[in-house]
Amino acid sequence: GAVVSQHPSWVICKSGTSVKIECRSLDFQATTMFWYRQFPKQSLMLMATSNEGSKATYEQGVEKDKFLINHASLTLSTLTVTSAHPEDSSFYICSAARSGYEQYFGPGTRLTVT
Amino acid sequence: QKEVEQDPGPLSVPEGAIVSLNCTYSNSAFQYFMWYRQYSRKGPELLMYTYSSGNKEDGRFTAQVDKSSKYISLFIRDSQPSDSATYLCAISTQGGSEKLVFGKGTKLTVNP
Repeated sequence: GAVVSQHPSWVICKSGTSVKIECRSLDFQATTMFWYRQFPKQSLMLMATSNEGSKATYEQGVEKDKFLINHASLTLSTLTVTSAHPEDSSFYICSAARSGYEQYFGPGTRLTVT
Repeated sequence: QKEVEQDPGPLSVPEGAIVSLNCTYSNSAFQYFMWYRQYSRKGPELLMYTYSSGNKEDGRFTAQVDKSSKYISLFIRDSQPSDSATYLCAISTQGGSEKLVFGKGTKLTVNP
């Protein structure tokens, strides 16, 4: 299957700071990338969908000014959590897909805001 | 009614058992069905991707779709301790590369 990487795998930051998470498709060009968050013992919740070169589409209830998504190329998307607070602590997972094919997930990034 | 329902378990079976995991969905517009496996603190890994009603087999895994009943299943034969993980069903109206709706996931433990 295709390989998707995320960096960093774990990050701790102080309340009020911003954190950037990278998602890369390593062996294919992704027309679409997705960002999810997952709380302990819960399922994945889609935050936003991004297509290369266009603005991300956010799900209802997700603050676009807080969770900035940039899909700069067909292999890279970034999620920036701005002015992070403890309630933003979660497991953030990206996925990537080529149109008409399956969605492949990254290994996830654990964010802890102190 | 939620779009997709999945019993969260937990489910515990002895090694070698046949495991049956299930999801039901409410909207007949869903046409694409996937099963993902997620180990603790890892991203989901795609196991099976099906479109039509019927069975699809891959090694010890069989995915079954019954669109008339809006019911999907994943069977694991000869289960192994390494199969211990959370299994998530995911469905889509437009394909695997489009927005997915996930079930809550079923936590499976296979005991040696």
